[in-house]
Amino acid sequence: TQLLEQSPQFLSIQEGENLTVYCNSSSVFSSLQWYRQEPGEGPVLLVTVVTGGEVKKLKRLTFQFGDARKDSSLHITAAQPGDTGLYLCAGAPGGGAQKLVFGQGTRLTINP
Amino acid sequence: NAGVMQNPRHLVRRRGQEARLRCSPMKGHSHVYWYRQLPEEGLKFMVYLQKENIIDESGMPKERFSAEFPKEGPSILRIQQVVRGDSAAYFCASSRTGNENTEAFFGQGTRLTVV
Repeated sequence: TQLLEQSPQFLSIQEGENLTVYCNSSSVFSSLQWYRQEPGEGPVLLVTVVTGGEVKKLKRLTFQFGDARKDSSLHITAAQPGDTGLYLCAGAPGGGAQKLVFGQGTRLTINP
Repeated sequence: NAGVMQNPRHLVRRRGQEARLRCSPMKGHSHVYWYRQLPEEGLKFMVYLQKENIIDESGMPKERFSAEFPKEGPSILRIQQVVRGDSAAYFCASSRTGNENTEAFFGQGTRLTVV
């Protein structure tokens, strides 16, 4: 069974600080997706990383896929209260199916 | 710009009743996935369907749960004789293909409460 472990599970920091969220597995994934989920809503796709070592940037968010395609990180620079939310990583095991394996999420709170 | 549409958004059922959850995929998407999110837990895969076919139902409970995606109309997740433990948020996602690395887009979910 493939598992994704996210850390930390909860993070509360002040506005303007930087932070990194980690998503780790002992399994290889063909791709990894990061989602953000607001209370009462569905997950919204932020980015998909496919190639080992790939780095993608989305404004103040930087996503990296590990060289071995087993882990990923999300780094937020100068966090803002609007970044508050639940961040989920999800791995696609490959083999022609999009059966995503989700981490348990990181609940991020940015205090003004 | 219609995304994945799920209805109802909220559903309350008494124990023993049936729950029917509907999902219309994004335009041009023929692959549908259902996930369940229990309180304070991550999303868990339930079933993957294409039009008129169940591709992978390895995450579906063996009893009381079924899913379909007919040629016409939305995908339906059906839960018979609901129990309190079925209370959860059920999310549907769709993708254009079933290929590796295809991006999946989620609906807003149906929150089922069993009383």
